[in-house]
Amino acid sequence: NAGVTQTPKFQVLKTGQSMTLQCAQDMNHNSMYWYRQDPGMGLRLIYYSASEGTTDKGEVPNGYNVSRLNKREFSLRLESAAPSQTSVYFCASSEGLAGVTYEQYFGPGTRLTVT
Amino acid sequence: AQSVTQLDSHVSVSEGTPVLLRCNYSSSYSPSLFWYVQHPNKGLQLLLKYTSAATLVKGINGFEAEFKKSETSFHLTKPSAHMSDAAEYFCVVRMHDYKLSFGAGTTVTVRA
Repeated sequence: NAGVTQTPKFQVLKTGQSMTLQCAQDMNHNSMYWYRQDPGMGLRLIYYSASEGTTDKGEVPNGYNVSRLNKREFSLRLESAAPSQTSVYFCASSEGLAGVTYEQYFGPGTRLTVT
Repeated sequence: AQSVTQLDSHVSVSEGTPVLLRCNYSSSYSPSLFWYVQHPNKGLQLLLKYTSAATLVKGINGFEAEFKKSETSFHLTKPSAHMSDAAEYFCVVRMHDYKLSFGAGTTVTVRA
């Protein structure tokens, strides 16, 4: 039982390049999330998927797209990377939408630098 | 609207002394509140959560938090700090649409 896994762990991109961050969970969770973490700002929600087949924008969706490939996998794509997207990206999952009952479980993160 | 404010960006304590991390929230209704911990280069782990059943909530690793509605606070405490408590701590409130809103975080350093 690996929990939430993310690939890659580190990535350096040049401005304008594209890439996809991968996330998978093996807990049979319905809901999955993508956050970015920047110094002094906590975590901010980029996109989330309440259940397989649905995705919704979070607090900071501009410049990103997501795909809920199946119940296990939720990918985040940067079509044209910008230096402002330099951040640490976390994927999380929960049994249902986050709340009192449904704890969110986090992956180890992907450190992305855009030069 | 809901939001959460962590009053200290950095807290430094000596090993064996108490730890206090302060968190205030604003909410238009009864909130759900959480504390998460993030050790260096790791993901976030849930420490404890307030479910409205009891105002004093006990979590893992000896941490506890008290919900005070009159003060709109949810401060995190531990009686005796250990070196392994060095980490970043996030106070989190559940928003009305079930998404989580994170505070900016408090970095804890523990001196030997």
